[in-house]
Amino acid sequence: EAGVTQSPTHLIKTRGQQATLRCSPISGHTSVYWYQQALGLGLQFLLWYDEGEERNRGNFPPRFSGRQFPNYSSELNVNALELEDSALYLCASSLLASGGPSTDTQYFGPGTRLTVL
Amino acid sequence: DAKTTQPNSMESNEEEPVHLPCNHSTISGTDYIHWYRQLPSQGPEYVIHGLTSNVNNRMASLAIAEDRKSSTLILHRATLRDAAVYYCILRGVSGYGQNFVFGPGTRLSVLP
Repeated sequence: EAGVTQSPTHLIKTRGQQATLRCSPISGHTSVYWYQQALGLGLQFLLWYDEGEERNRGNFPPRFSGRQFPNYSSELNVNALELEDSALYLCASSLLASGGPSTDTQYFGPGTRLTVL
Repeated sequence: DAKTTQPNSMESNEEEPVHLPCNHSTISGTDYIHWYRQLPSQGPEYVIHGLTSNVNNRMASLAIAEDRKSSTLILHRATLRDAAVYYCILRGVSGYGQNFVFGPGTRLSVLP
């Protein structure tokens, strides 16, 4: 069974540009989560999509946005890039358990390394 | 705003048991306790989760205190592959509490 895949592996942009990161969840998973991991820091929750809708959002400015497509893949867009946006962006997928989101298991992809120059 | 506290780092010898503690004194009755680990240069991977009772799986055991204000992840025989950052996370049933809030975790070193 294929795991969560992310593309591209690496992305280099300059300040002010836009970046688009993509994630394909495990087959059958309907939820996709995005996290940011800056160098030396822990994972910061960005966005959660389920069944095509945004379920929850972390404490990030509006220039971080995304969407989930009918096939449950997802895209993260970062507009007006700033130097501090340089980080590893991780995507995770899950199939919401019958017990609700508090019990589901998230499967993480390898991440996209975004560098802003 | 992590709701859990863990030691920054721990060390273990190979093939010995490891007990990784986590304090979560503000846990609510419906919060589940999740453990994930992140190996070097990889995304996090699920280890175990539980609510009230102790839990076992092929990777580890989770011991939850009776008052649920702390828990311990137990690796029964540490291997070099277990060297990673271990995250203890609470996840609730509604609102922002549904989100995974990762703290800095515990960096486990395993000595041969």
